Amino acid sequence: DVKVTQSSRYLVKRTGEKVFLECVQDMDHENMFWYRQDPGLGLRLIYFSYDVKMKEKGDIPEGYSVSREKKERFSLILESASTNQTSMYLCASSLYLGGRNGYTFGSGTRLTVV
Amino acid sequence: ELKVEQNPLFLSMQEGKNYTIYCNYSTTSDRLYWYRQDPGKSLESLFVLLSNGAVKQEGRLMASLDTKARLSTLHITAAVHDLSATYFCAVGSGGATNKLIFGTGTLLAVQP
Repeated sequence: DVKVTQSSRYLVKRTGEKVFLECVQDMDHENMFWYRQDPGLGLRLIYFSYDVKMKEKGDIPEGYSVSREKKERFSLILESASTNQTSMYLCASSLYLGGRNGYTFGSGTRLTVV
Repeated sequence: ELKVEQNPLFLSMQEGKNYTIYCNYSTTSDRLYWYRQDPGKSLESLFVLLSNGAVKQEGRLMASLDTKARLSTLHITAAVHDLSATYFCAVGSGGATNKLIFGTGTLLAVQP
């Protein structure tokens, strides 16, 4: 089974801090994704990457950046955390973009910005 | 722009009853996915529907896809408490990236 691991389950950060959320997958998937999940809004795509060093903006990229230096690792960066970035962040990977098997998700990081 | 709508957003049902969750989407797609999320947990893949008329069943859950109507349904038969969770549908956006667009989710609470 594909395993997608997010390094932290819970994080509390201060406004203005630079925050790194890490995600690692172990099945050599080409594609990786970062979503945020908020009540009543479902999952919204922040950024995705279809290859090492390649990235594309999703629907809500403002205030975020990403890094993919190695195939297995995809990092989400909050350049200057704000309280409206308090959310659950979910990382996912897939062999194919929107492919036959969908995505495999990590366990999520609940970030609180105070 | 692809939009995905689920209804209802919240469903409270009694054990033993049947019900259906609906997923409508706004533009053509041939890929639809259903996920389950337990409180505080991540998303677990339930079904992948890849063609018009596709029907898949697992236990008390059955999912179907009508690409002409741009509609998928998740039918629950004789609900049990263990099915309490949030259910999401997601649709492939098509094009070069074909990323998944998620609905807002349906919170299902099965009461004894």
